[in-house]
Amino acid sequence: QQQVKQSPQSLIVQKGGISIINCAYENTAFDYFPWYQQFPGKGPALLIAIRPDVSEKKEGRFTISFNKSAKQFSLHIMDSQPGDSATYFCAASKSGSARQLTFGSGTQLTVLP
Amino acid sequence: DAGITQSPRHKVTETGTPVTLRCHQTENHRYMYWYRQDPGHGLRLIHYSYGVKDTDKGEVSDGYSVSRSKTEDFLLTLESATSSQTSVYFCARSGTNSSYGYTFGSGTRLTVV
Repeated sequence: QQQVKQSPQSLIVQKGGISIINCAYENTAFDYFPWYQQFPGKGPALLIAIRPDVSEKKEGRFTISFNKSAKQFSLHIMDSQPGDSATYFCAASKSGSARQLTFGSGTQLTVLP
Repeated sequence: DAGITQSPRHKVTETGTPVTLRCHQTENHRYMYWYRQDPGHGLRLIHYSYGVKDTDKGEVSDGYSVSRSKTEDFLLTLESATSSQTSVYFCARSGTNSSYGYTFGSGTRLTVV
């Protein structure tokens, strides 16, 4: 059972453009929604995270938008740069679950120079 | 990687042989996890630990066992390796009590031939 669905599978954006990756979840008990960035040969690294009590969180060029009623959240990368080219994973977890994260299937982002 | 190391980084093994992957953290974080990463599937939880000798199964635990005899070490064993277990394996630890963010190791690429 895929509890977190991520789209698109791959994304190509021009330098300076906006990259948007979407995720949808099924379990309404989820209360923590992080995004991870992974470069080839490396482990995923936490990029930004949000809790459902806010609808948006911004850190630099990265913004999470959260829609609790639709059970969706998205990552926006403003002014995308070639250095942002990586695989991005959304994830979700719920309280009292030993903090287990359920991950989406990943989006491979390529930013063209 | 930020106090969490995995060994070996690469391993090739034969079908039917047992294999043990090691994860070591330099801090006393309570929660540790083993995930496998496969194209199109994102990261899937194999097993996790919430303390010394306290472990539980994740989504894809069949064919795997774990042990945690010390806070800093979390071992993943493939009891009898199969080709379907060819994958990249990541260990992670959770953050502090106030943070759910994971820190991942650099991964072990396992090939079962």
